[in-house]
Amino acid sequence: QKEVEQNSGPLSVPEGAIASLNCTYSDRVSQSFFWYRQYSGKSPELIMSIYSNGDKEDGRFTAQLNKASQYVSLLIRDSQPSDSATYLCATEAGGFKTIFGAGTRLFVKA
Amino acid sequence: GAGVSQTPSNKVTEKGKYVELRCDPISGHTALYWYRQSLGQGPEFLIYFQGTGAADDSGLPNDRFFAVRPEGSVSTLKIQRTERGDSAVYLCASSATNLGSPLHFGNGTRLTVT
Repeated sequence: QKEVEQNSGPLSVPEGAIASLNCTYSDRVSQSFFWYRQYSGKSPELIMSIYSNGDKEDGRFTAQLNKASQYVSLLIRDSQPSDSATYLCATEAGGFKTIFGAGTRLFVKA
Repeated sequence: GAGVSQTPSNKVTEKGKYVELRCDPISGHTALYWYRQSLGQGPEFLIYFQGTGAADDSGLPNDRFFAVRPEGSVSTLKIQRTERGDSAVYLCASSATNLGSPLHFGNGTRLTVT
């Protein structure tokens, strides 16, 4: 059973702080990794994709991938109350089938 | 261009009834996915189409669930003899065909079985 594991949270950080979200996956052959943001009552939307080991930065977001440790993380710098949402980690488990973790709820306190 | 469109947005049905949920993907996207999401959980994979064929239907929970995509565009998820446990948000997503393409989700259909 291929799995994606996330801490469900909630993770609470003050406005302006760095939020760190973590994810582990079980399928060693996964090549593509994604972070989606989901606001309450809405559908998931893509924030970041990462395909090779190391860091990838996009604005306030940085995704980190370590395939040896089967670990993916998302850092949100200068967290804003509007970043409060559930963050879903996802990977492709063989072919095109994308599977998701249960998500981590993030609260950014003003 | 339009995004992924799902209809209806809400569906209330009685236990034992048959329902159909529709998904219209982004134009040009050959890959189409169905997921089911319960409260507090991540999206649960149901089925994936590449063109007209179901490339992976390993997530369908049982034979009451069936999905089609006859012309390689619009897809319909069909649920027979609905049960209260089928209540969830059903999400459709599409992506470009190349490996590693992210998913674009519709707004979902909230199914409630009473």
